[in-house]
Amino acid sequence: DQQVKQNSPSLSVQEGRISILNCDYTNSMFDYFLWYKKYPAEGPTFLISISSIKDKNEDGRFTVFLNKSAKHLSLHIVPSQPGDSAVYFCAASGNNNDMRFGAGTRLTVKP
Amino acid sequence: KAGVTQTPRYLIKTRGQQVTLSCSPISGHRSVSWYQQTPGQGLQFLFEYFSETQRNKGNFPGRFSGRQFSNSRSEMNVSTLELGDSALYLCASSLQGFEGYTFGSGTRLTVV
Repeated sequence: DQQVKQNSPSLSVQEGRISILNCDYTNSMFDYFLWYKKYPAEGPTFLISISSIKDKNEDGRFTVFLNKSAKHLSLHIVPSQPGDSAVYFCAASGNNNDMRFGAGTRLTVKP
Repeated sequence: KAGVTQTPRYLIKTRGQQVTLSCSPISGHRSVSWYQQTPGQGLQFLFEYFSETQRNKGNFPGRFSGRQFSNSRSEMNVSTLELGDSALYLCASSLQGFEGYTFGSGTRLTVV
């Protein structure tokens, strides 16, 4: 059961432009959302998170937006840099302490 | 501080065999979770252990099992291996739950 969906397997943007990665979820019990970044041959690393009581969280070039009514969240990277090229996973968790991940979106930032 | 350590990094097994993967969490972390990563499926949740107890379990068959020791180290076992079990198995640790998950580099299992 794919409770967290990332419908775009890949995204390519030009350096300096905005990258927007999207994520949808189906479980209304999810109340905490995270984005992880993964480079080849490494485990995912935590990037940014947002609680369901907020609709936006910003950390430097990274901003996560949450639309609870639409069960949708997005990650904005501005400006995008070649070093941002990686696979980005969206994750969600409820009060049962387990975390569900999406399938990932491979971001390529071209110089 | 040392990160999450998973051993071995690579493993090749034959169908029908069993395998045990090991995960040493960050010192002080009591929660250890296991995930299976396959192309197109993302990270599929296997199970989570906290203080030696399985606290959550994903939708995997009973061939997948795990345990956690008193020092928080965790092992995952897969019995009667199938070709479809070939994947990257990732372990993540945290202090209590999902906040601040730190992942290991994973064990790449290939079943032939």
